[in-house]
Order: sequence, then structure tokens, then C-alpha cells
Amino acid sequence: GNSVTQMEGPVTLSEEAFLTINCTYTATGYPSLFWYVQYPGEGLQLLLKATKADDKGSNKGFEATYRKETTSFHLEKGSVQVSDSAVYFCAPLGNEKLTFGTGTRLTIIP
Amino acid sequence: DTEVTQTPKHLVMGMTNKKSLKCEQHMGHRAMYWYKQKAKKPPELMFVYSYEKLSINESVPSRFSPECPNSSLLNLHLHALQPEDSALYLCASSQDWGERANVLTFGAGSRLTVL
Repeated sequence: GNSVTQMEGPVTLSEEAFLTINCTYTATGYPSLFWYVQYPGEGLQLLLKATKADDKGSNKGFEATYRKETTSFHLEKGSVQVSDSAVYFCAPLGNEKLTFGTGTRLTIIP
Repeated sequence: DTEVTQTPKHLVMGMTNKKSLKCEQHMGHRAMYWYKQKAKKPPELMFVYSYEKLSINESVPSRFSPECPNSSLLNLHLHALQPEDSALYLCASSQDWGERANVLTFGAGSRLTVL
């Protein structure tokens, strides 16, 4: 089955800092890869996705590149804002199921 | 309409009660999902309905009973729950399912407390 290893949190950064949240996965074949975000008290929202090797997903200043050779899909943002404080989940879609990583709680301080 | 609507937002029930969680979408999606999320944990898949038929049951105890009356509605009937069933229950939908699922759209969740 699928599995995903996600950077342990919590992560605390100052506003305008550079963000990286690491994600590596194990799956058969070539799964589609997703990052979902969960703001406090809410459900999950799609942040970005990539469906094949070397694709780059991007949204709201966040980026992640599908790296088949390292089975990774690391999330990056050049300058974080207080409003980016949330929990971020990496999730490969493989074997007909979406498997979520453990989640990384991000807190941005002004 | 690009939303998944879940009701109620909060539910408190005793172990002998029978209650239901409801989920609705009007995006024409043909797959609908129930996930359970405990505090500070990732969502765990419970059930998948595809074209109104149950496609996946992740060995969920029978005290949870899903129902899909039509392509827009998904219910989760609750009976004789335990305190450890307290969690956030998330509904999601997608245009199709399996490898064709692509993007899941989630509702805001129903927070269940079992006393």
C-alpha cells in the first residue's frame, strides 16, 4: 500500500521567512501527489497538486515539484505570512486511495 | 456551487443514542467519502461511495452505518457509539473515484462528542 513520511512539526517561523516542509512517499506506480491545508476549525482544502514526474504544483506562493527519482514532493514558500498558519498534509493518491501524512503544524509569528 | 455542506457542525450524544451526520454536494460529483479525524492526527478513510454504491469500507465497526440516498447526499448513521469515537468527521466528494479521483473537496466537518 501507500505510505508517506512527512516532516515532524510543529514548525514556528517568523513572517517573511523561507518555508520547506519535507514529504517522501512510497507507492506502486506513479501516484498523483497533493498538498492539503487545514486552517483552525475547518476541513481540508486542496493547496496544490502534481500528477506526473517533474510537474510543479503552485498556489498562493507555495510550490512543490514531483521528484520521481527521490520519491519526494517537498512544499516550499519563499516568504510566509501569518495567515499561512495551519496544518499541512502531504497525500499521494495511489491504489485508489488518498493517504495522508501525519501533518505538519505551521505557526508564523509576526 | 463548489461546496460540501455538513450538518450538524457539532453533535453531543450519549452511548445509547441514535443520531445521523449529513453531507450534501451539488457539484455533480459521483464519489463521496467519510473520513474520521482525531485531534492532531491525519484524516482516516472510513467509507467511499461511487455512483451511489458502497465501494470501500475500511473495516469500520457496524455502529457506523453509511447511506447514500442519491448522488448529492451522504449520511452517516450513528448508534451505540463509544467515547473513543469522539472525533471530527469529514465528508468529501470528487468527480470520480479511485485513480480518477484527482481532487477531493472537503466539508468543514461535524465535531462529534460521545459521552
